Amino acid sequence: DTEVTQTPKHLVMGMTNKKSLKCEQHMGHRAMYWYKQKAKKPPELMFVYSYEKLSINESVPSRFSPECPNSSLLNLHLHALQPEDSALYLCASSLGTSGASSGTQYFGPGTRLLVL
Amino acid sequence: GQQVMQIPQYQHVQEGEDFTTYCNSSTTLSNIQWYKQRPGGHPVFLIQLVKSGEVKKQKRLTFQFGEAKKNSSLHITATQTTDVGTYFCAPRRQAGTALIFGKGTTLSVSS
Repeated sequence: DTEVTQTPKHLVMGMTNKKSLKCEQHMGHRAMYWYKQKAKKPPELMFVYSYEKLSINESVPSRFSPECPNSSLLNLHLHALQPEDSALYLCASSLGTSGASSGTQYFGPGTRLLVL
Repeated sequence: GQQVMQIPQYQHVQEGEDFTTYCNSSTTLSNIQWYKQRPGGHPVFLIQLVKSGEVKKQKRLTFQFGEAKKNSSLHITATQTTDVGTYFCAPRRQAGTALIFGKGTTLSVSS
């Protein structure tokens, strides 16, 4: 299984809603990532989990709250988002975060989020 | 901070023509990866380059890493409509640090 799955595929939420994005991989990868991608822009790194511990937080607003319940799952909890947070949210995983052979990132299909 | 420039931003070619995108860094890199994202899709890993002067080929795609490990290129020979998409370079300044994606080159191909 070389797949990263993400649910939901699409999400529309109001600014007062609370929602969660889910990501799952069964490749035995120990590093998982959240990226945000706006239209016609490159993916922007938000968070990195390494061995289920948060290792990188790229100064993301607290209305985004990541969670890594186990080595296969990664969640992104959303609360009080703004319309400018509308984007494609991509999850990725890799074997690890260091070493030339561990760096290949496998991306999920993403969740297209619209905040009204 | 690390400055990465990817050019051109857009490129349109006729099917059968060649295409090249360049990625330039202001600092020496540990390694560099290349990804392709089809319209409406997600980034898909293509290759990783680690060694100075490294050249790797995948069918019609040729990837190069500069001798100084500051620049890289992706060349596609005889483009096909299936090559359409955005090609991102993703350099890593030091081993163990996160990838930083370039702005990407969007390729369109007309038949």
